[in-house]
Amino acid sequence: NAGVTQTPKFQVLKTGQSMTLQCAQDMNHNSMYWYRQDPGMGLRLIYYSASEGTTDKGEVPNGYNVSRLNKREFSLRLESAAPSQTSVYFCASSDRPVQHFGDGTRLSIL
Amino acid sequence: QKEVEQNSGPLSVPEGAIASLNCTYSDRGSQSFFWYRQYSGKSPELIMSIYSNGDKEDGRFTAQLNKASQYVSLLIRDSQPSDSATYLCAVGLVEGKLIFGQGTTLQVKP
Repeated sequence: NAGVTQTPKFQVLKTGQSMTLQCAQDMNHNSMYWYRQDPGMGLRLIYYSASEGTTDKGEVPNGYNVSRLNKREFSLRLESAAPSQTSVYFCASSDRPVQHFGDGTRLSIL
Repeated sequence: QKEVEQNSGPLSVPEGAIASLNCTYSDRGSQSFFWYRQYSGKSPELIMSIYSNGDKEDGRFTAQLNKASQYVSLLIRDSQPSDSATYLCAVGLVEGKLIFGQGTTLQVKP
């Protein structure tokens, strides 16, 4: 049972490049979430999807877009990467209220 | 702006002692509260959830909730070096969203 799977685990981008972070869960959860974690900042919600076909902004959505492709998959896209988006990105899924996290994607933007 | 506050630490305790981690939150309507443990370079892992006032015990861990004071705490008895990690307090909001504190780093010294 894989739980929440994120790809890639590491990525280095140049400023202005685009990238999609992938997330898939096999727990049949309705809700999925994207967070970023910066040193000393805890986890901040970027976007979430309460159910298949719906997405909503979280606390820090600027510079990101998301797609809830189906019940299993929720992707996060950076259209034009900026150094301020250097962070660790976590995807989570939920059977409410408990959230389960993937292993994270460590993204560096030069 | 809903907030969750934690002392970032580090909190240093000797092996075998009780570690006490604290968290305050601003939203009086919150109904669900969580403690996640995060080892360096790893993803958050749920260790305790609590939904009603009082204490909840699970092994060496006890979560305490006081909704009137908007205060959540986590006690770790017989602390072990393997408990050294960052502990994230999270408060549940509508639609299954969580808001996280910045985390408290715990160091257990042999």
